[in-house]
Amino acid sequence: IAGITQAPTSQILAAGRRMTLRCTQDMRHNAMYWYRQDLGLGLRLIHYSNTAGTTGKGEVPDGYSVSRANTDDFPLTLASAVPSQTSVYFCASAGTSGRKQFFGPGTRLTVL
Amino acid sequence: GIQVEQSPPDLILQEGANSTLRCNFSDSVNNLQWFHQNPWGQLINLFYIPSGTKQNGRLSATTVATERYSLLYISSSQTTDSGVYFCAVEEETSGSRLTFGEGTQLTVNP
Repeated sequence: IAGITQAPTSQILAAGRRMTLRCTQDMRHNAMYWYRQDLGLGLRLIHYSNTAGTTGKGEVPDGYSVSRANTDDFPLTLASAVPSQTSVYFCASAGTSGRKQFFGPGTRLTVL
Repeated sequence: GIQVEQSPPDLILQEGANSTLRCNFSDSVNNLQWFHQNPWGQLINLFYIPSGTKQNGRLSATTVATERYSLLYISSSQTTDSGVYFCAVEEETSGSRLTFGEGTQLTVNP
């Protein structure tokens, strides 16, 4: 692994289903982030974590949850998916909070 | 929250031309970053530039924090420069939140 990986690459999901998007980084970065990208709305922060064991809410946290059990992994969970959560999801990391962010390749999620 | 405005929204260039992209923001910031999203969707960090000037090959960026703007210069553009360029800022009071502008869509024609 080099950098940030995300899984799955893409997913089609029925509304009401639970889904976890995975994010793993091997750079030993303390800070990690989840964004969603929608046409016309740009990139918006969902949740973030400044260090393992801590998380915070971003601009659009409703319907999503995160955990940060260790430095490398930062999963994003949709407890009960809705069509408005159809989007491209990007995970990012930074050495420390407020520093240069590096992005994963993204997960394209479609909720029907 | 902080407002981030990028201009122009769209730009079409011939290969070899130079261009300047602008990012204005409405409040004091802790940091500012420029990203390039290529046509395949990959986001690449170009610059971390809360103030001053940096250069990386054909690209350079200048942030004047006191006047709340940043400029991204692309010289001798190439077709591989095509994509969307985003400016993102961290508001002083936000604690880790990057707010993105809506981007400049750049197309470089051969």
